[in-house]
Amino acid sequence: GAVVSQHPSRVICKSGTSVKIECRSLDFQATTMFWYRQFPKKSLMLMATSNEGSKATYEQGVEKDKFLINHASLTLSTLTVTSAHPEDSSFYICSARDPLTDEQYFGPGTRLTVT
Amino acid sequence: AQSVTQLGSHVSVSEGALVLLRCNYSSSVPPYLFWYVQYPNQGLQLLLKYTSAATLVKGINGFEAEFKKSETSFHLTKPSAHMSDAAEYFCAVTYSSASKIIFGSGTRLSIRP
Repeated sequence: GAVVSQHPSRVICKSGTSVKIECRSLDFQATTMFWYRQFPKKSLMLMATSNEGSKATYEQGVEKDKFLINHASLTLSTLTVTSAHPEDSSFYICSARDPLTDEQYFGPGTRLTVT
Repeated sequence: AQSVTQLGSHVSVSEGALVLLRCNYSSSVPPYLFWYVQYPNQGLQLLLKYTSAATLVKGINGFEAEFKKSETSFHLTKPSAHMSDAAEYFCAVTYSSASKIIFGSGTRLSIRP
């Protein structure tokens, strides 16, 4: 089946620094990618919808200046957590939609820890 | 607006017993419904999905789910639990294949030897 990768799988950063997480569709071109956040023992909360070549659509309550999303190519979307704080520590998961099959495929997630 | 409610945050069954994880949905339009499984520190794996074809949907690993419009339910079942089924299970809904997916709160399945 289709594969979506995320890099890095784990990252630890200091408070105040910025962290970039990459989401790649490995064997299909994804016009739409989604970014989710998952708190410990909680469900996935959609943060934003990323469309290639246009601005991301953020869900209510998600700070777009805090969580910068770039979908510069059909196989890559990036999420940058700017000026990270400990409360940004979480598991971030992306998904990518294959327009040919209409299936959404999820990445393995990135564990962010802000110290 | 669409939503799903998963009844029971934690379900524990004996190995070999029936697994039943409950999910009820709310949608103003015909929904697409999913069940995903998540193992610790991993992403999501699609178990099965309903897209308005057959109401009984068979998925991977012996799981199946039945769409019941009259009950607005999409419960997940497996006749005989394996130890390897222990994981977090999420029910999810969307209204089209291109739209965002809304997840339920999840049910942790534990299997007793």
